[in-house]
Amino acid sequence: DAGVIQSPRHEVTEMGQEVTLRCKLISGHNSLFWYRQTMMRGLELLIYFNNNVPIDDSGMPEDRFSAKMPNASFSTLKIQPSEPRDSAVYFCASSLLPGDTQYFGPGTRLTVL
Amino acid sequence: KQEVTQIPAALSVPEGENLVLNCSFTDSAIYNLQWFRQDPGKGLTSLLLIQSSQREQTSGRLNASLDKSSGRSTLYIAASQPGDSATYLCAVSPLNDYKLSFGAGTTVTVRA
Repeated sequence: DAGVIQSPRHEVTEMGQEVTLRCKLISGHNSLFWYRQTMMRGLELLIYFNNNVPIDDSGMPEDRFSAKMPNASFSTLKIQPSEPRDSAVYFCASSLLPGDTQYFGPGTRLTVL
Repeated sequence: KQEVTQIPAALSVPEGENLVLNCSFTDSAIYNLQWFRQDPGKGLTSLLLIQSSQREQTSGRLNASLDKSSGRSTLYIAASQPGDSATYLCAVSPLNDYKLSFGAGTTVTVRA
C-alpha cells in the first residue's frame, strides 16, 4: 500500500486566497484525522471522521476552516480566506478503527504571505 | 484537559549508548499511548502502541513501558545508532474518545 497520500506537499499563497488540502486514506481504513503542526503549538488535532462522518471538530480554529469526506477514501481541508497565521504543516492520518495506530501522511507545508 | 510533557526537549548521545525518553501525562484515564518518530520535514511514523491494560510493548531495539497510575511512559532504545536521530513524540488518547494529545517531543541526536 502507498500509505496516506497528501497533496500538495507545499503551498504558498497570498492572504485572502482559498486553500484546499487533499488527503487519500489507506485503503480499508475507516478513521481520518486532520492535524496542524507549528513550532509554537506543536501538533493539534483539528477534526476527525469515522466512517465518513465528522465526529469531533472542536479543534477547528475558526469558521474559515472546513473539512469534508466525500467518500470513504478521500478528504479535503479548506481554508477560506487564508491568513498568515494559518501557516503551518498540515497532516492527515488514518487508522483502521478510531483507537488504533494512526498512519500519518507526509504533510502539506502551507505558507500564507 | 490532558497535558502531555516530554523531558528533556533535546538529547545528544554517542553511538552505542542506550536511550531513555520520558513522557508524562496528567490524566490517567487513557485508552492507549503511542510513541511516534518524526524525521525533519517528514510525517510521523508510529513506533509502538500500548493499550491502557498493558505494561509494556517491544519491537526490536525499542521497548516502551506504561505506568498508568503515575501517568508515565518511557521509551527505551537499545544500542543507539546515528539513524535513530529524530524527534520522538508520545501521544495519549482518553477513554471514550480517540483524540490524541501530543507531547512536544524529544529531539535525539546520536553522534557517530
